[in-house]
Amino acid sequence: RKEVEQDPGPFNVPEGATVAFNCTYSNSASQSFFWYRQDCRKEPKLLMSVYSSGNEDGRFTAQLNRASQYISLLIRDSKLSDSATYLCVVLSGGSYIPTFGRGTSLIVHP
Amino acid sequence: NAGVTQTPKFQVLKTGQSMTLQCAQDMNHNSMYWYRQDPGMGLRLIYYSASEGTTDKGEVPNGYNVSRLNKREFSLRLESAAPSQTSVYFCASSGARRNEQFFGPGTRLTVL
Repeated sequence: RKEVEQDPGPFNVPEGATVAFNCTYSNSASQSFFWYRQDCRKEPKLLMSVYSSGNEDGRFTAQLNRASQYISLLIRDSKLSDSATYLCVVLSGGSYIPTFGRGTSLIVHP
Repeated sequence: NAGVTQTPKFQVLKTGQSMTLQCAQDMNHNSMYWYRQDPGMGLRLIYYSASEGTTDKGEVPNGYNVSRLNKREFSLRLESAAPSQTSVYFCASSGARRNEQFFGPGTRLTVL
């Protein structure tokens, strides 16, 4: 079983839609969680950290479910510019090495 | 404040040639990383440096060497390039706060 798993998609949604991605992780000692965004042929960029209490940044909401070992990303009112690959990243306590999921592709169409 | 810079942006090598990919960061980060990204494979860690003076192997270190020249710079060397090393290479750095990583723009390497 991979340490961090994501549905590769693509998720194909119309503008204005709400879309959600999940990411499961296998290491129960994982302590830090992040969502990164990667545009085509560009470098990954941090979208948001995921806190135990959940957090929101504008149209984006991230949540952590430790019992079921998954994190989620919810995007409301999707924009064309949200089209990208979203990478889930997990870091175990005391480790310098983050584990990246393979990413979920989102395509927002007019 | 440039963040993480990488050179070159593109490179074509012949099998057996050597080259060094350069990476520098100006954020005073302790940790630096080299990844490769291939279609369908996601990001795979080649080597990392937790702090100046230390380097460790990642998931796919074979065929590569690294040097942490100082706190700012972390280079990746291919001693004898092979077609299997055709990939996009990303350098990243992270500081102390929750280990968020900042990536360079990448080097697109083709080995013929």
